[in-house]
Amino acid sequence: DAGVTQSPTHLIKTRGQQVTLRCSPKSGHDTVSWYQQALGQGPQFIFQYYEEEERQRGNFPDRFSGHQFPNYSSELNVNALLLGDSALYLCASSLVVRTDTQYFGPGTRLTVL
Amino acid sequence: AQRVTQPEKLLSVFKGAPVELKCNYSYSGSPELFWYVQYSRQRLQLLLRHISRESIKGFTADLNKGETSFHLKKPFAQEEDSAMYYCALVNDYKLSFGAGTTVTVRA
Repeated sequence: DAGVTQSPTHLIKTRGQQVTLRCSPKSGHDTVSWYQQALGQGPQFIFQYYEEEERQRGNFPDRFSGHQFPNYSSELNVNALLLGDSALYLCASSLVVRTDTQYFGPGTRLTVL
Repeated sequence: AQRVTQPEKLLSVFKGAPVELKCNYSYSGSPELFWYVQYSRQRLQLLLRHISRESIKGFTADLNKGETSFHLKKPFAQEEDSAMYYCALVNDYKLSFGAGTTVTVRA
């Protein structure tokens, strides 16, 4: 089991563009959470998906949206990119009954120019 | 709203010396607290959780509700303990992380 995988590894976009990041959860996991980690900061919770629905959301604008597919994989979409969206985006998977125990992916480094 | 504070950005200790990473939290209710660690070129991973009261890699952490703290301790630091450490609190399915402490263990 490769654990949680994310793609792409790195991404460069310009302001105003849209981006889609992808995540495959650890085998057997059904819940996916997304985090934004700015330089020098801890991860900040964006939202969590379970049964293809957004279950919980952090303090992020509607420009940040997501999706979960029947195979439990997930996408994070960010519209109208701002310079401040430059960060490492982490995906974490868990079992719905144990969302306190999350397994993290390696992250996608997004740079907005 | 819950908040996790790690007052030290950097911590440098000698090998064999004790190490303590501070974590304070604000939360109305009974918190569930964790320590996550990220070693160089590896992904973020769970180190320990307060509820299981376990010792992992020689680290322990005690929840002090009176002081709202969950400090991480190890009596004898090893070079392989050099890493980034994050204290985290879970509420309503989401993890709230502190800003992290970078630990460097010198030979």
